[in-house]
Amino acid sequence: DAGVTQSPTHLIKTRGQHVTLRCSPISGHKSVSWYQQVLGQGPQFIFQYYEKEERGRGNFPDRFSARQFPNYSSELNVNALLLGDSALYLCASSLVPGTGHEKLFFGSGTQLSVL
Amino acid sequence: EDQVTQSPEALRLQEGESSSLNCSYTVSGLRGLFWYRQDPGKGPEFLFTLYSAGEEKEKERLKATLTKKESFLHITAPKPEDSATYLCAVHSGGYQKVTFGIGTKLQVIP
Repeated sequence: DAGVTQSPTHLIKTRGQHVTLRCSPISGHKSVSWYQQVLGQGPQFIFQYYEKEERGRGNFPDRFSARQFPNYSSELNVNALLLGDSALYLCASSLVPGTGHEKLFFGSGTQLSVL
Repeated sequence: EDQVTQSPEALRLQEGESSSLNCSYTVSGLRGLFWYRQDPGKGPEFLFTLYSAGEEKEKERLKATLTKKESFLHITAPKPEDSATYLCAVHSGGYQKVTFGIGTKLQVIP
């Protein structure tokens, strides 16, 4: 079975540009979460989507947005890129969120570099 | 706000030298504590979920334990392939906001 797939794997942008990152969850998983991981830090929660609705948002500015499609895939959009947005962006999927029993399955991430 | 503190930040062990990683946490109602392993350039890989104080789980050379304030990941007779960053995380919200620590980078030397 395919795991969580993310594209692209690497991306280089310049300040002020816009970026779209994509994620396909494991088949049957309806919840997708996005995390930002800066080098040397743990992943930080950005968004969670379940059944195409936003269910949670972390402490990130409005430049960050996301959506989930009918096939449960998801996009993370970041506008007006800043140097500080350089990080590994991780997507995670799970069966049913919010119970505390689910475990997250992570993709390998998109490494974003902002110059 | 949920907080997770891991120590040490880095640990270097000789092959076969057992040790423990610590994760202390502050949450408003723990729904699950997770341990993940992360290799360079990869996403975290799930290891364990613990739900209540006193619970223990084992997998090969790894054993995770939980108290009301902290969790330990014990590594018995580690091998070089155990080298990775080990992340601790807690889930306390009604939705899936999981708060991670910064991790412990483990290096096992042959």
